[in-house]
Order: sequence, then C-alpha cells, then structure tokens
Amino acid sequence: GENVEQHPSTLSVQEGDSAVIKCTYSDSASNYFPWYKQELGKRPQLIIDIRSNVGEKKDQRIAVTLNKTAKHFSLHITETQPEDSAVYFCAAYDGYSSASKIIFGSGTRLSIRP
Amino acid sequence: GAVVSQHPSRVICKSGTSVKIECRSLDFQATTMFWYRQFPKQSLMLMATSNEGSKATYEQGVEKDKFLINHASLTLSTLTVTSAHPEDSSFYICSATPPGPGANVLTFGAGSRLTVL
Repeated sequence: GENVEQHPSTLSVQEGDSAVIKCTYSDSASNYFPWYKQELGKRPQLIIDIRSNVGEKKDQRIAVTLNKTAKHFSLHITETQPEDSAVYFCAAYDGYSSASKIIFGSGTRLSIRP
Repeated sequence: GAVVSQHPSRVICKSGTSVKIECRSLDFQATTMFWYRQFPKQSLMLMATSNEGSKATYEQGVEKDKFLINHASLTLSTLTVTSAHPEDSSFYICSATPPGPGANVLTFGAGSRLTVL
C-alpha cells in the first residue's frame, strides 16, 4: 500500500519569508496529490492539489511541485502571513479509483513569527 | 460546494457506554465514505472505508467489533464506538469524495471530539 512521509514536523518562519514542506510517496500508481490545511479544532481544508501529469501548480502565494521520478512533491508558501499558521497535511492516492485509500502524511505544524 | 455534515461535534460519555457518530453527505451521494481518527498533534489515521450496502473495510489494527460502521444509504454513514474506554477518546473525522470531473477530492466533516470518562 501507499506510504507517505512528510517533513519537517514543525516549521517556524519569519512573517514575509517563504515556507517549504516536503512529502515523499511510495506507490507509483498514485496520481493525485492534495494538500490540506487544518486549523486548531477544525476540519482539514483543501488548499491546493496537483495531478501526476503536471509538474507545478500555483495559486497566488501557494505553489506545489511534483517530481514523479523521485516520488516527491512539495508545498511552497511565499510571503507568509500570520493566518498561514496551521498544520499542513499532504496526501497521495489514485484520484480516479473509487477503491483508492487516501493516506496522509504525518503533518507539519507551521508557525509564522511576527 | 459539496458539504459533509458530521454530528455530534462533541460528546462526553461514561466508560462502558456506546457512542454513535453520524456522517452525512448533504448535496451528493456517496457510495464510499472514510473514517479517520486524529490524536492531539498527530496526523489523520485512516480507520476504515465505509461502503454503501456492504461491509466496511477496516485498516490493520482497527477492531471491527469496537468500531462498528454502517453505511445504509447513499448519504449516511455511522460510526459506533462500542463499550468506550478512556483510550478511545479522540477526534473522529469522516470524509467523502463528491462526484465531479477530475480526481476524487476528499471533503471532510467537521469532526467529532469524543471524551470518555
């Protein structure tokens, strides 16, 4: 089955700087890679995703890159703001199979220092 | 957008009692729903995949008799924690993948925080 590893577990950056979170996956059948943001006590919310036929995707200050050969993908947040403080989770699965199990990385607690 | 509703949001119960958590897809039909468990400051751990009209598929290490899952309709899945004990205290979150073009995007319920005294 799929195994997703996520690093770092905690990350503290100065407001305005960039933050990078990295994930690796094991199953070459995985073709969909979403990133979720979870604020304390709330449900995870999808913030960006990427499919295996794309190498990079950007949405304002957030971008995700994918290296299929190396089986790793990364979340990049630029010009960080206090509201970016949260826990971020990556996932990897076959997004086109109803039988696919959706496995998450261990999470990264991002703190933005004022 | 697609909404997954989960109830109750918080529940406190005595040790030995059973607790039922409901997960509903409000504006779409979900043949499959997923139940996750999250301990404080930890990741989302998949407990089981709930299949409408058939038995749930449990992950390794999850007790089927302890965590009963029923998916009797295309919009409702329930998780019953039977004979709850303090170690079952956790945040339980359900999710589903609404139909649509492209990949199956996971949408989460608001979660249920269970405290067993």
